[in-house]
Amino acid sequence: AQSVTQLGSHVSVSEGALVLLRCNYSSSVPPYLFWYVQYPNQGLQLLLKYTSAATLVKGINGFEAEFKKSETSFHLTKPSAHMSDAAEYFCAVSDSSASKIIFGSGTRLSIRP
Amino acid sequence: GAGVSQTPSNKVTEKGKYVELRCDPISGHTALYWYRQSLGQGPEFLIYFQGTGAADDSGLPNDRFFAVRPEGSVSTLKIQRTERGDSAVYLCASSARGGESDTQYFGPGTRLTVL
Repeated sequence: AQSVTQLGSHVSVSEGALVLLRCNYSSSVPPYLFWYVQYPNQGLQLLLKYTSAATLVKGINGFEAEFKKSETSFHLTKPSAHMSDAAEYFCAVSDSSASKIIFGSGTRLSIRP
Repeated sequence: GAGVSQTPSNKVTEKGKYVELRCDPISGHTALYWYRQSLGQGPEFLIYFQGTGAADDSGLPNDRFFAVRPEGSVSTLKIQRTERGDSAVYLCASSARGGESDTQYFGPGTRLTVL
């Protein structure tokens, strides 16, 4: 069965600093992986998804993630944090039965001025 | 170009009451999903529709929960004899075809509070 683990429930970085949100997955088959963002009082928005076309995936708002099979990781990065990046971020994997997405527990990103 | 919409945005009810939560998917999307998000956690799958039929209802916690999608568009999640533990944000998502690489688009959710 597929699963994801997000390391760190809360990450705080300074404005302009590198953002790194960690995600490790477990899957018996090649996975489809996603990062979603949830701004306060808003719905989930897809940041990016990995579907095996390329290991480095670029998403919206300057975010990108790299699929590393050897490390079973799909970490999310952004070179320079903006105040507007403050939100909850969820890593997720698509279930092989294709019926659902399995989400991690989320990482809350705070940005210090 | 409307996205997924959900009504009501907030619902407060008393323990033991019946509630219905509505989801309007993106027009033309055949797949529809319901998730539940408890405070401080990621969304958890409840049920998946492909067209009018429930293709996977393995996430429904018990028989108090039921969902329908009679015409393959709008869906209603129904909860009978609500309990305080049912309090959560209920999220609906839709995707064009349904499939493990298909992008799911989420609505804003309905926040259910059971007193």
